[in-house]
Amino acid sequence: EAQVTQNPRYLITVTGKKLTVTCSQNMNHEYMSWYRQDPGLGLRQIYYSMNVEVTDKGDVPEGYKVSRKEKRNFPLILESPSPNQTSLYFCASRYRRTYNYGYTFGSGTRLTVV
Amino acid sequence: ELKVEQNPLFLSMQEGKNYTIYCNYSTTSDRLYWYRQDPGKSLESLFVLLSNGAVKQEGRLMASLDTKARLSTLHITAAVHDLSATHFCAVEITRVPTDQTGANNLFFGTGTRLTVIP
Repeated sequence: EAQVTQNPRYLITVTGKKLTVTCSQNMNHEYMSWYRQDPGLGLRQIYYSMNVEVTDKGDVPEGYKVSRKEKRNFPLILESPSPNQTSLYFCASRYRRTYNYGYTFGSGTRLTVV
Repeated sequence: ELKVEQNPLFLSMQEGKNYTIYCNYSTTSDRLYWYRQDPGKSLESLFVLLSNGAVKQEGRLMASLDTKARLSTLHITAAVHDLSATHFCAVEITRVPTDQTGANNLFFGTGTRLTVIP
């Protein structure tokens, strides 16, 4: 089944403890991105990647890092999480130049930083 | 800065009724998407609108795009309870990043929380 897989689904952590949220897709998509969803603000892009070793900042990149060493994986790294990073996170992917099918989203990761 | 506005933010409607959700955006867009999200769930793609005048229909939902007016609509016909969810529009533009070209970004509206009452 074609899908985007995120792990973990739920995570509670303490301020300052480094964490990684994984994202993997099995559709050979070039483009991958991370979003956070907050009440009243909709979804906002954190980082995106156009292909292996090509990443760039989205609209709210502060406090996050990403890497794209393999085409299928795009982990989101929080080096020193803070409470304002408590949010619902989504990973998404699609073919870079084929638009008919849109984006495929992962199931989401609900992160709480205390 | 691109703004994407949806109206209404909350919509409560009776089964069998018709209604339209509006999505206005503030700059030229390459593509527009409609998604549905159930509480605590991921986003499910409803429609991809690729050009001016595009109209797509699936079941009780019909989406249209007017790029000149920078407006998309999602029309609900004879609503049923299963349509209860939050519906998002998202506008895609080509972002020019610091050292690459052709990157795209999705800008989401804040969503319309639809409740269909039996």
